[in-house]
Amino acid sequence: KNQVEQSPQSLIILEGKNCTLQCNYTVSPFSNLRWYKQDTGRGPVSLTIMTFSENTKSNGRYTATLDADTKQSSLHITASQLSDSASYICVVSYRGSTLGRLYFGRGTQLTVWP
Amino acid sequence: EPEVTQTPSHQVTQMGQEVILRCVPISNHLYFYWYRQILGQKVEFLVSFYNNEISEKSEIFDDQFSVERPDGSNFTLKIRSTKLEDSAMYFCASSRTVDAYEQYFGPGTRLTVT
Repeated sequence: KNQVEQSPQSLIILEGKNCTLQCNYTVSPFSNLRWYKQDTGRGPVSLTIMTFSENTKSNGRYTATLDADTKQSSLHITASQLSDSASYICVVSYRGSTLGRLYFGRGTQLTVWP
Repeated sequence: EPEVTQTPSHQVTQMGQEVILRCVPISNHLYFYWYRQILGQKVEFLVSFYNNEISEKSEIFDDQFSVERPDGSNFTLKIRSTKLEDSAMYFCASSRTVDAYEQYFGPGTRLTVT
């Protein structure tokens, strides 16, 4: 069964600190993996996208890593800001799909405290 | 920056009623999607649409659901006879290419079935 699991479920950190969020997936065949940020009541917004041949991708303070052999990914956030408080969702694209089927994790709810 | 828009932002309806959720995808996009997120749960794929026909649909997308692109700009999701369990956030997404990682999400419509 194609699944995406994330940990931790929630995380609280102080402003300025770094954190790392984890994602494990079983989606196969795998096309690409992306991390989305979802603010409460809003649609997901893409942060990074990686194909199976990429190991790391950065977008400002966000750095994602991918190990396609172990089917694991992480999202590292450096120098956190209050505006980083959101749900961070790992999403995997299924290569067997004819068009655009994505598998979503439950998300990690990040809260940044001043 | 162009964005996907959705209306209404919140729809309340009685069980058994029909609802139509509307989306205006980004203007030069050709591929359209609907997802839903039940409160506290993962985002789930419903359907993808291209060239005026459904490309792929999930197990959730049963006969009570239908999609349409009635006028070349709007993309609608119709639920024929709503059930309590249809209460969720419904997200529309669109992409310019067939590559799934270019999907842009709208802000969502919160559907409440009473």
